[in-house]
Amino acid sequence: AQSVAQPEDQVNVAEGNPLTVKCTYSVSGNPYLFWYVQYPNRGLQFLLKYITGDNLVKGSYGFEAEFNKSQTSFHLKKPSALVSDSALYFCAVRDQTGANNLFFGTGTRLTVIP
Amino acid sequence: GAGVSQSPSNKVTEKGKDVELRCDPISGHTALYWYRQSLGQGLEFLIYFQGNSAPDKSGLPSDRFSAERTGGSVSTLTIQRTQQEDSAVYLCASSIRGRSTVVEAFFGQGTRLTVV
Repeated sequence: AQSVAQPEDQVNVAEGNPLTVKCTYSVSGNPYLFWYVQYPNRGLQFLLKYITGDNLVKGSYGFEAEFNKSQTSFHLKKPSALVSDSALYFCAVRDQTGANNLFFGTGTRLTVIP
Repeated sequence: GAGVSQSPSNKVTEKGKDVELRCDPISGHTALYWYRQSLGQGLEFLIYFQGNSAPDKSGLPSDRFSAERTGGSVSTLTIQRTQQEDSAVYLCASSIRGRSTVVEAFFGQGTRLTVV
């Protein structure tokens, strides 16, 4: 069975500091991994994905994520946080069996403090 | 269309009434997903359609919930005899199922359902 865990409900970071939003996953076999962001009263927007290849994936708005197979993690990172990054972030996983269903974590609310 | 379209954007209904929520996926997208998001909470998977395959209904919370997808395009999520705990934002997403590539799902803006 597939599952995603986002261990932190809330992350606070000062503007200009690096940020990390954590995600761990469980799938049978190799995963496809995604990050989405949800701004207030908006739908979910795709940020980045890991399929294969380089473990460090770069995405929209300066975000990146590092795939770590041994730790089954896919943490979202950004070198310098902006107040406008404040939003709800979701990690999602799909396995490679072809079933193609997409499972989401419970979300992490990021607040960037000016 | 340019994106996933959901209607209505807001729906207020009385407890016990039936409601239908509509999703128009991106043209050509074979996969369609329904999720539910309660206030400030994560995404709860409801149902997944992929082409002509039997849908994955494993996330439907009760037999009051059903969904169909006509002609492999538009989908309707029906909730019968609505309860107050059904109040949530219902999100629809679609994606292409690529054989050699993996593409992300694109989400609609959601339907905010309030049961009073």
